[in-house]
Formats: sequence, structure tokens, C-alpha cells
Amino acid sequence: AQRVTQPEKLLSVFKGAPVELKCNYSYSGSPELFWYVQYSRQRLQLLLRHISRESIKGFTADLNKGETSFHLKKPFAQEEDSAMYYCALSSASFPYNFNKFYFGSGTKLNVKP
Amino acid sequence: DVKVTQSSRYLVKRTGEKVFLECVQDMDHENMFWYRQDPGLGLRLIYFSYDVKMKEKGDIPEGYSVSREKKERFSLILESASTNQTSMYLCASSPLGLAGGPDTQYFGPGTRLTVL
Repeated sequence: AQRVTQPEKLLSVFKGAPVELKCNYSYSGSPELFWYVQYSRQRLQLLLRHISRESIKGFTADLNKGETSFHLKKPFAQEEDSAMYYCALSSASFPYNFNKFYFGSGTKLNVKP
Repeated sequence: DVKVTQSSRYLVKRTGEKVFLECVQDMDHENMFWYRQDPGLGLRLIYFSYDVKMKEKGDIPEGYSVSREKKERFSLILESASTNQTSMYLCASSPLGLAGGPDTQYFGPGTRLTVL
């Protein structure tokens, strides 16, 4: 069964420190992985997706199929990065078959000054 | 910019009431979703729809129903509200992806429902 695990409920780091938010998944096919972010009093929004290989706001995430992980990283955290982060999985397979998104339970990142 | 709107930001209802949550998207997306968001549990899918009048159960459909009469509108219905349905409800929409499955999801601002 598809599952997304974010082992940390809360992660606190100091400004300027590196940050890594962990995400592990279980899926037998070829998944599409996403990171979504929710800043205080704002709607949930896409941060990045593995297929586009972009770096958004200094964040990167590499899909490691061997370890079934998609950890989110940033070398120098900023206070404005404080938010709730969700890892999500969507299957992508042929022939067309509608698939759901699966979200992790979320990690709250707190960047201290 | 994709815009997903929800009819209310805050709603207070009494146990046993019938509750309607409305969601509208303006980007002609095929897929629409209803989630509830609870601390420590993340987002859990209630129902989704991949076309007008088409719907599928998500992971926690019990106590809920949905309606999609028009492509842009997806309604969540609580037939008889209960206190354990107090939660933040998020609506999302997504276009079809390249593989035919759902692409990136765009979320509404959420409705915080309190059932007394």
C-alpha cells in the first residue's frame, strides 16, 4: 500500500544552519513526489516536485529510489522558512488510471533567530 | 494564477445539522479533492472527483458525501454533523498530468468547521 512517512513532527534549527526534513515512502510503482508548504495563515502551496528538479527558495530534494526517500534540504535556513511542510506522493503509471495523492503527517519547521 | 475558493473560512454548527462546504475553481481543472487536516495526522482524503458527476471515495469517506454538478464546483456534505468532524477542511483541484493522472494540486484557503 502507498504510504508517506515524515518521522519528525517538529524540527527546530537556528538561522543559518542546514536543515533536512525527512520523507520516506512506500510504493511499488514509479511515484511522483512533491513537497508542499503551508506558511502561517496561508494556504497550502507547492514547494517543489521531483520531476522538475528545481530549486525553490533554496530548497532541493532528491529522489532516492533505493532508500525510498525524498528528503528536503536547505544549506542555510532563514526565519521565513518557518512553516509546516508536507511530503506527498502521486502515482504515475500507464495505462491511464486515476490515482490519489498521499500526504505525510507533516513536519513543522521552526527557524530560530 | 489558479484560484480555488471555499465558501467560508470559519463555520460553527450544531450536532446533527446538515452542513454544506462549497469549493469553486476557475482553471477548468478536471480533478477536485476534499481533505481534512488535523494536527499530527496531516491531510486525509475524504472524496475526490475526476469529472462532472463522477466521484470516488478517499480514505475517510464515512459521514460525508459529495456533489459535482458542474466542473468548477465540488461540494462536501456532512449529512448529520458530529463533534468528531470538527476540523480544517481543504479543497484542492488539479489538471490532468502528462501521464493522464493528476498533476500538481492547488489548494483553497480552508474552512475551519467547529461542531458543537
